[in-house]
Amino acid sequence: EVQLVESGGGLVQPGGSLRLSCAASGFTFSSYEMNWVRQAPGKGLEWVSYISSSGSTIYYADSVKGRFTISRDNAKNSLYLQMKYLGADDTAFYYCTTYPFTYGDYAINWGQGTLVTVSS
Amino acid sequence: DIQMTQSPSSLSASVGDTLIITCRASQSIGNWLAWYQQKPGKAPKLLIDKASTLQSGVPSRFSGSGSGTDFTLTISCLQADDFATYYCQQYHSYSSFTFGPGTKVDIK
Repeated sequence: EVQLVESGGGLVQPGGSLRLSCAASGFTFSSYEMNWVRQAPGKGLEWVSYISSSGSTIYYADSVKGRFTISRDNAKNSLYLQMKYLGADDTAFYYCTTYPFTYGDYAINWGQGTLVTVSS
Repeated sequence: DIQMTQSPSSLSASVGDTLIITCRASQSIGNWLAWYQQKPGKAPKLLIDKASTLQSGVPSRFSGSGSGTDFTLTISCLQADDFATYYCQQYHSYSSFTFGPGTKVDIK
């Protein structure tokens, strides 16, 4: 089964750090570019970061640049997001997504996301 | 960075209506545009990519069109299951896979 499963979210104090993980299965992870997307409660979708299939090309949204680090381990079929200096504005569900969006004829569905809550 | 806008931001409709949602990019993105549907408490679901390619399993009442900077999502004969929020996303520029702000469709 083609699947993306995010984990690692939780409650963290302002200024704290957290590392998110995304486990991929059912498709050739090493062939796919990956993104992190987040959604604050009641708000729209915000693209956070991109990493190429090899990990050699990385981009960040201005809102997280210098604080977040995206990485991947193709041997473990896993994507990561290291988050530092977290603030209230970082409170959101975090989703990992693929590019291309499909595996064969079918869309690779987003996972359930992992909730990050930044609060004292 | 490429900016995306959507209109309307929300609308009320009835079952059986035909809806058109518009998405506009701040610069040409070719046909590198996707449409998503999101229901409350759920992750977004991909409906259409490359501006007009319907994903497997998505009802044919959904259709997408456009290229360059102007795109539309059309929902023909709206069904109860279609009440949701719809987002467009550009992927022409890998440095920012920007989303539109969303269009909420609710029941009139």
